[in-house]
Amino acid sequence: DSGVTQTPKHLITATGQRVTLRCSPRSGDLSVYWYQQSLDQGLQFLIQYYNGEERAKGNILERFSAQQFPDLHSELNLSSLELGDSALYFCASSAGGRLGETQYFGPGTRLLVL
Amino acid sequence: GDSVTQMEGPVTLSEEAFLTINCTYTATGYPSLFWYVQYPGEGLQLLLKATKADDKGSNKGFEATYRKETTSFHLEKGSVQVSDSAVYFCAYGGSQGNLIFGKGTKLSVKP
Repeated sequence: DSGVTQTPKHLITATGQRVTLRCSPRSGDLSVYWYQQSLDQGLQFLIQYYNGEERAKGNILERFSAQQFPDLHSELNLSSLELGDSALYFCASSAGGRLGETQYFGPGTRLLVL
Repeated sequence: GDSVTQMEGPVTLSEEAFLTINCTYTATGYPSLFWYVQYPGEGLQLLLKATKADDKGSNKGFEATYRKETTSFHLEKGSVQVSDSAVYFCAYGGSQGNLIFGKGTKLSVKP
C-alpha cells in the first residue's frame, strides 16, 4: 500500500458527460501528479500540483482540468467525454515535487466512456 | 525529445530463469532513473531507483545499474519466480518533475 488513495475505483459514463476523479496523497506529501494510462499512448503525464499551485503541465487536454485543495487532496475533472478518454487514471504524490524525487502511485481509477 | 525505450514484450520465462529487461533513455543531463512494477489490476509500485551514474538500485532480488556512457538502466534478476509476473516500466525524472515512462514490458513466469 503506497498510502495514496483514489476514488472511485471504476467509473462508467457516457460520451459528453463530466466526471471528477479524486486523489488523496501520502501523509506529508505536498506534490500531486496525474497520469493517464491507455493502451495506445502508454503512461502520459497530465499535470502536477504543489501545495495548491499548478507547477507543471503535460499532455492534458483543454477539456480536462485539475486542482489541489488546502488539505492537499486533488481532483481531476474530465468534461465533454469522448470514447478515447477511456483509460486508467493514476494519481501519484511526492514529498516536495523536486526533480528526480520518488513518486508513489495510487491504485488508479478506471474510466470507461460508452 | 526526451524518451525511454525498453524492450518489447511479452517476455515468457520458466521459473528460476535469468531475467534481463533492457532500457535506454534519451535526456539532457543526468536524471534519476526508476523501475516501476504493475501487478495485474493494481497501480504502479516503485521497484528500485538510482540517482547518479554508476549507482546500483536493488530490491527483492532485482538490480539495475545507472550507465551514463550507454544511457542505459537494464533490469536484471538472477532467478525469477511465478510471483514476478507483472508489467515492468522503466522511467526517468523529466525536467518538469514528472516521470517519463517506457511502454512497459510484460513478464510471464511459468512454473
